[in-house]
Amino acid sequence: GESVGLHLPTLSVQEGDNSIINCAYSNSASDYFIWYKQESGKGPQFIIDIRSNMDKRQGQRVTVLLNKTVKHLSLQIAATQPGDSAVYFCAENKPRGKLIFGQGTELSVKP
Amino acid sequence: NAGVTQTPKFQVLKTGQSMTLQCAQDMNHNSMYWYRQDPGMGLRLIYYSASEGTTDKGEVPNGYNVSRLNKREFSLRLESAAPSQTSVYFCASSYRGQETQYFGPGTRLLVL
Repeated sequence: GESVGLHLPTLSVQEGDNSIINCAYSNSASDYFIWYKQESGKGPQFIIDIRSNMDKRQGQRVTVLLNKTVKHLSLQIAATQPGDSAVYFCAENKPRGKLIFGQGTELSVKP
Repeated sequence: NAGVTQTPKFQVLKTGQSMTLQCAQDMNHNSMYWYRQDPGMGLRLIYYSASEGTTDKGEVPNGYNVSRLNKREFSLRLESAAPSQTSVYFCASSYRGQETQYFGPGTRLLVL
């Protein structure tokens, strides 16, 4: 079946370093992806999205890259801060708004 | 503007009991969703409502029913709770399907 998966369940980085969280998907027809951040005890929070007609999209301190050839996307966080510690999910946004979530990567930021 | 609100925050049930989880949004969104999240996993879609008056099954609908009461409110009902339904339940809404979904804070449910 179709799936969205993250490469690493945990990632630990030093404060101030850049973080890269990876995600792979299986359906080459997928055309809309979203990254969510989930802090402990809270609901997922939208970070950034990208559609298949783009390779790259930038937000504030975050960049999402989409490589359709290898069906891979990544979330890059610049100058990682303690407040960035959370679980990050990539999700495929399918027609009618059905989100298919990956399992998540837990980002820990060391001071 | 409260966004998406959910009640209750926590609930403990015995096997076989019933309950309804409430969700409301004040963003004038058309679409609403119910997800469950189990430890160490992403969210899985239970049911969704593309617009007022319509509901559809998601990935894991068994054991649940939903009601889109009006444009603002979308409730999830467990008729006969089972331990396998112990989970954290999230409600979400979006202006339309395939647009950004905004999530509520979640309801933590324990079924004994």
